[in-house]
Amino acid sequence: DAGVIQSPRHEVTEMGQEVTLRCKPISGHDYLFWYRQTMMRGLELLIYFNNNVPIDDSGMPEDRFSAKMPNASFSTLKIQPSEPRDSAVYFCASSWTTNTEAFFGQGTRLTVV
Amino acid sequence: TQLLEQSPQFLSIQEGENLTVYCNSSSVFSSLQWYRQEPGEGPVLLVTVVTGGEVKKLKRLTFQFGDARKDSSLHITAAQTGDTGLYLCAGPPSGGSNYKLTFGKGTLLTVNP
Repeated sequence: DAGVIQSPRHEVTEMGQEVTLRCKPISGHDYLFWYRQTMMRGLELLIYFNNNVPIDDSGMPEDRFSAKMPNASFSTLKIQPSEPRDSAVYFCASSWTTNTEAFFGQGTRLTVV
Repeated sequence: TQLLEQSPQFLSIQEGENLTVYCNSSSVFSSLQWYRQEPGEGPVLLVTVVTGGEVKKLKRLTFQFGDARKDSSLHITAAQTGDTGLYLCAGPPSGGSNYKLTFGKGTLLTVNP
């Protein structure tokens, strides 16, 4: 298996634009997590899915953020409209359960100017 | 409020020295995981501790889970430059209906030659 695949690796966009981050989890993993990492706040859990169903989105900062998982092999995190304070590295991870190892993608470095 | 507090936040040592980093919480965890993250990459699992009082060794790294399952420590013996990285602890808190994999902010370790 190729591991968790995220795209794009880097994204630079202007304030107000829509940004879509993509993730392909490891096949067979039931859980998918979206995290945001910044120096100030560390690795924050934004939302996680179990069997494609969103279980907890309490970490999503505001309504500008939305996430979907239309099937077991694909998830998106969308920011609309984007703001400079959204600049961060966004990670997608997947695991069998929350008690087992989470496998992370390489992340998407988002810069909003 | 951070559910998992890690200390120290930064640590810079010389090759060959020993060190210990800590992960503390006021909540009980069903298990705790330790990850290492290198620049430009996602975190990678080092070990999972499950039982209160458990000690696990991974070559020069020794991990301990507190008896009450609220804290953990990572001890590195004779640090090497390859140990440089961000060390993160993570876990799902016990109880409740949601099982979020929550991370501490990490300890950034630099081992100098």
